Order: sequence, then C-alpha cells, then structure tokens
Amino acid sequence: GAVVSQHPSWVICKSGTSVKIECRSLDFQATTMFWYRQFPKQSLMLMATSNEGSKATYEQGVEKDKFLINHASLTLSTLTVTSAHPEDSSFYICSVTPSGTGGAGQYFGPGTRLTVT
Amino acid sequence: DAKTTQPPSMDCAEGRAANLPCNHSTISGNEYVYWYRQIHSQGPQYIIHGLKNNETNEMASLIITEDRKSSTLILPHATLRDTAVYYCIVGYRSSNTGKLIFGQGTTLQVKP
Repeated sequence: GAVVSQHPSWVICKSGTSVKIECRSLDFQATTMFWYRQFPKQSLMLMATSNEGSKATYEQGVEKDKFLINHASLTLSTLTVTSAHPEDSSFYICSVTPSGTGGAGQYFGPGTRLTVT
Repeated sequence: DAKTTQPPSMDCAEGRAANLPCNHSTISGNEYVYWYRQIHSQGPQYIIHGLKNNETNEMASLIITEDRKSSTLILPHATLRDTAVYYCIVGYRSSNTGKLIFGQGTTLQVKP
C-alpha cells in the first residue's frame, strides 16, 4: 500500500525556537498534501492544504505566519512551527492524496509528536 | 464542523461482527462517505469509502442507506487489533478539494 513518512517522529524543543517537520510521499507523487494537528483525547483538526508549487491554503484560525508550509516537490511537504510555545505541543499528522486518483482516500503519515518546553 | 454523527463508544466481542453506525443527513449528492480508523498514537488508516452502493474490501464492508443519510461500517470478525477510534467522514473526491473534516469518531473496544 501507499506509504507516507514523517520526520522526525518526535521532537522536544525550547520555547521560542522553530521546528521543521517533513512529510514525504514514498510511493507516489502528490500535488496536494494536508496537515492536521491533534491534541490529547481530541480528534484531528485540519490546519492547511499544501499545494505543490503554490501557496498553502490555511483553515480559519490557523496562523499562516506561525505555521509555515512549503511544498517544493511532488513528494515532499514541510511544516515549520515558528517561535514555538508550549501550547503548540501537539501531534502533527500529514496526509497525501495520490495525484491522478481522483482523491480516492487519503494516506496518513505516522505523525510527529512535538513537545515545547 | 464535521457533517457526521457517531456514537462516542462501542464494545464488541472478539470474533463477532462490529457494526459502527454513522449519520450524515446533510450529505450532498457528490460527496463520498469515507471511513478511517486511528490506533492510539498513530496516523489514521484508510478503511473504505463509497458513494451510493455498498462496498466491500479485505478490511470491511460499507452499507449506505438508499437515501444516503446514514451508513454502517461492518468489521465481520473483530479482533483485539481492531480496537481503535473509527471516523466516518463525508467529503469530495477531488484531490484538490478533498480535504477531510474529522468528527469525534467512535471508540471501538474489542474485548476477549
């Protein structure tokens, strides 16, 4: 089946620093990737849609200057949490919709657990 | 906001069929019904999707009512490894607009 990887799988950083999370589609090209955030005991919340070669589309209430998304190739999207604070501690998950499949189901990465101290 | 309603939790005996209901009364004509599950601390896993007809794959069956306002995911022989949160989601199929909005899902506990 399709494989999506994320790196790192977990990261601890100090308040005020920036953290970059990578999402790679290993089996197929993807013009569109999605980024989600999940707090403990809560459901996934869509943060943004990452579009290859163009600007990301952010959901309402998500700060685009704080959560920088770059989708530079058809297999890689990155999410950078800038000036991280403890309230940004969360489980960040990306998903990929294979190009040319009409979006028939998304494949999710294993997630990245961010802890800001 | 999510467009689906699911019971918050369900139990199922190991080896028995697990039937997970979902209401999506406001689904539009070209929206699909998707099911995903999330095992603790992992990314969600795609299970199955459908538009109108019932669907079956190696993991599960999806039964969609004729009016498309509700559906049921069936795990025919539940195992302990099926314990997870199951999400029913409606969404468009296009890869450009196919963002998924997750509700709270159903926590399925499979018991020995």
